[in-house]
Amino acid sequence: EVQLLESGGGLVQPGGSLRLSCAASGFRFSSYAMSWVRQAPGKGLDWVAAISGAGGGTYYTASVKGRFTISRDNSKNTLYLQMHSLRAEDTAVYYCVKDSPAIAVVRFDPWGQGTLVSVAS
Amino acid sequence: QSVLAQPPSVSAAPGQNVTISCSGSGSNIGGNYVSWYQQFPGTAPKLLIYDTNKRPSGIPDRFSGSKSGTSATLDITGLQSGDEADYYCGTWDHSLSGAVFGGGTKLTVL
Repeated sequence: EVQLLESGGGLVQPGGSLRLSCAASGFRFSSYAMSWVRQAPGKGLDWVAAISGAGGGTYYTASVKGRFTISRDNSKNTLYLQMHSLRAEDTAVYYCVKDSPAIAVVRFDPWGQGTLVSVAS
Repeated sequence: QSVLAQPPSVSAAPGQNVTISCSGSGSNIGGNYVSWYQQFPGTAPKLLIYDTNKRPSGIPDRFSGSKSGTSATLDITGLQSGDEADYYCGTWDHSLSGAVFGGGTKLTVL
């Protein structure tokens, strides 16, 4: 069974940093692109970043470019999202999602349970 | 403002059929596969349709997807009360070099 388990969320002050982790199991991790998708309270889904299976290709939504970094450690079957210069509008539940083998074929399945990031003073 | 446009809400009675639309452009829906997600309150989304018209194992054939030009649709037949949820379309956008979602459609089963 494919499982994704996020961790690292919490309350952080504006301008602060946080690193999210996602431990994956049940599939050949290095063969699949992975993404982070967030959902602000009461709002819709918002794709944040994606990384290719080997880690050589990374993609970001415009609002997080230069502030967030997606990375992966295929030896540990773990996906990361390093977040800097956090803003109130980054407050959301962050989901780790398994994508398709090809980065531009959106097939988010499954989704982790999500981890809440709250940016407030 | 979402890149993909969905109606905010749709409703129908049990047993009826409903269609949820997802409108985009040539840089996203027009040139890529579309996926659909179902989300119940307080839970993570679940993949409903992938590669525009394929169903993952375990998804009933009451759910189907299609695409024409720069628009995609999710059809749900024989509505059940358990189908009441939020539905999102998603695809890749080559101009943005990223994935994009619709704003979501809340399905109410009357």
